Amino acid sequence: QLQLQESGPGLVKSSETVSLTCTVSGGSISSTPYYWGWIRQPPGKGLEWIGHIYYSGSAYHNPSLKSRVTMSVDTSKNQFSLNLSSVTAADTAVYYCARLGGLSAPDVRRAFDYWGQGTLVTVSS
Amino acid sequence: QSALTQPDSVSGSPGQSITISCTGTSSDIGTYNYVSWYQQHPGKDPKLMIYEVSNRPSGVSDRFSGSKSANTASLTISGLQAEDEADYYCCSYISSSTPYVFGSGTKVTVL
Repeated sequence: QLQLQESGPGLVKSSETVSLTCTVSGGSISSTPYYWGWIRQPPGKGLEWIGHIYYSGSAYHNPSLKSRVTMSVDTSKNQFSLNLSSVTAADTAVYYCARLGGLSAPDVRRAFDYWGQGTLVTVSS
Repeated sequence: QSALTQPDSVSGSPGQSITISCTGTSSDIGTYNYVSWYQQHPGKDPKLMIYEVSNRPSGVSDRFSGSKSANTASLTISGLQAEDEADYYCCSYISSSTPYVFGSGTKVTVL
């Protein structure tokens, strides 16, 4: 059974960069054609797609976050990461990592089928 | 890209059927058949309930069904049960450059 687990600092100061890592177990992050995504949820609010990345490093991110998002993959550790720079209170949220089926996936295509439990990031002033 | 529009809340009695709508535009739901639906209980991670408009992942009850007409997708829950009380989010593929947008979310209450 595929499992995803987020890890990160929990508390970060305004204007700093928050770095989150998602560790994948029970399957390979290099498995095709799956992408690895980040979704966040501010307290009491809805879900927001942040971006996703392929094991090769090809990445897509939400333009609303402009150039503050950087994603990377470490296939040797079966992990992928998110860096969000210049954070403000508006970035306070639960951050989820999830697997995204690609267009040629045998079952779930273009949907997030496995999710981590989420990690709360609080931005303090 | 604005969030897809969902009603804030929908309610029903046990055994009844309810439908949650998800309205987008001709650029997202109207063009692509890649609408997915997620169920989220308080404090839990979202769970995929429907993908590609109407397909159910293995293990999801057949009481959940999805459909689409023009720019609006819908999730129907039949035989409503207490355990169905949760928040529900739709999500649509938009384009290769900005792939995904979620709906605003709907709280389902079982009366």
